[in-house]
Amino acid sequence: GESVGLHLPTLSVQEGDNSIINCAYSNSASDYFIWYKQESGKGPQFIIDIRSNMDKRQGQRVTVLLNKTVKHLSLQIAATQPGDSAVYFCAEITDWGNKLVFGAGTILRVKS
Amino acid sequence: EPEVTQTPSHQVTQMGQEVILRCVPISNHLYFYWYRQILGQKVEFLVSFYNNEISEKSEIFDDQFSVERPDGSNFTLKIRSTKLEDSAMYFCASSGETNTEAFFGQGTRLTVV
Repeated sequence: GESVGLHLPTLSVQEGDNSIINCAYSNSASDYFIWYKQESGKGPQFIIDIRSNMDKRQGQRVTVLLNKTVKHLSLQIAATQPGDSAVYFCAEITDWGNKLVFGAGTILRVKS
Repeated sequence: EPEVTQTPSHQVTQMGQEVILRCVPISNHLYFYWYRQILGQKVEFLVSFYNNEISEKSEIFDDQFSVERPDGSNFTLKIRSTKLEDSAMYFCASSGETNTEAFFGQGTRLTVV
């Protein structure tokens, strides 16, 4: 069945270091993946997306890598800042885009 | 910047009562969604809505749930007879096209007592 899971439930990094958040997905038919950031008491906020015909996409301070061979997705945040502290969810779109399937989430804590 | 807005931000209701959660999606979007997040858990899909009908629903979305788009701007989620386990954050989302990013509202915290 569908499932999207995360390797590390909590990640603590020092301010200024790079962060890598990982995600495994099981549905090889998924063709669109999104990383969302959720701050306390708020809704998920879009960070970056990638389609299955790509293996890397860069944004401002963030990079998403997709490895379809092992069904693995990662989010890299460069020069992590205190404002990056949040829960990060990967999500995949299946079934012709009718719904997002979210992973369990990783808590990112940035130490100053 | 356009955004999805939800009201109320917090709703407390007694078990067995009906609640209606309201959402105003982004105005030119065509796809609408409700998701639920129990405290400390992942975001779970409830239902998607397109062209004035439900396009997909999860097993959570049973007969106690219904959605409606009563006019050109609002999108509502109704729970007919709330249960304690319905307590959660409910997020509305919308997207302009299928298979693209969904924009989420700030959520309604539903507490059933």
